[in-house]
Amino acid sequence: QKEVEQNSGPLSVPEGAIASLNCTYSDRGSQSFFWYRQYSGKSPELIMSIYSNGDKEDGRFTAQLNKASQYVSLLIRDSQPSDSATYLCAVMQFYFGTGTSLTVIP
Amino acid sequence: DAGITQSPRHKVTETGTPVTLRCHQTENHRYMYWYRQDPGHGLRLIHYSYGVKDTDKGEVSDGYSVSRSKTEDFLLTLESATSSQTSVYFCAISLDGGEQYFGPGTRLTVT
Repeated sequence: QKEVEQNSGPLSVPEGAIASLNCTYSDRGSQSFFWYRQYSGKSPELIMSIYSNGDKEDGRFTAQLNKASQYVSLLIRDSQPSDSATYLCAVMQFYFGTGTSLTVIP
Repeated sequence: DAGITQSPRHKVTETGTPVTLRCHQTENHRYMYWYRQDPGHGLRLIHYSYGVKDTDKGEVSDGYSVSRSKTEDFLLTLESATSSQTSVYFCAISLDGGEQYFGPGTRLTVT
């Protein structure tokens, strides 16, 4: 069983701050990692993928991967109220965590 | 949005009845997936397909079957619906088995 763990939150940050979301996984052989955003009552939307150790940036989002420590994180810079959602971590394509709820306070 | 539709979007059915959910894509993506999402469990894979007539089981496949006779359509069938299958069902597609794009979801209630 491949475990993917996320802190369910809720995580609250003020507008303009950096939000940090974390995910750990159990299968050391995992090679692919994904972050999705899900607004309440909506379907998940892909934010970004990461496959190699280190950082990957896309606009205000940065994914960080550390395979040795078996964690992947997502940083959201200059957080906006529109970023308020649940963020899902996925490992090896279809093993999902239960998500972290983020609230950005204006 | 990726061209993915799901039908029906909402369904209420009785225990013991068969139910078929349809996922249709216009992107010509090779991979298609069915997930269910329940509070406290997140997204769990039911079945997936890696090509026409090629399918495999996921984590929670008991009580479900799938078929894919055309690239664009992936059907999920509940042979005899039970109350434990009340859930939100999402279809997803992927070009290469990596990044996935999700359909709008189907809310199924089994009474």
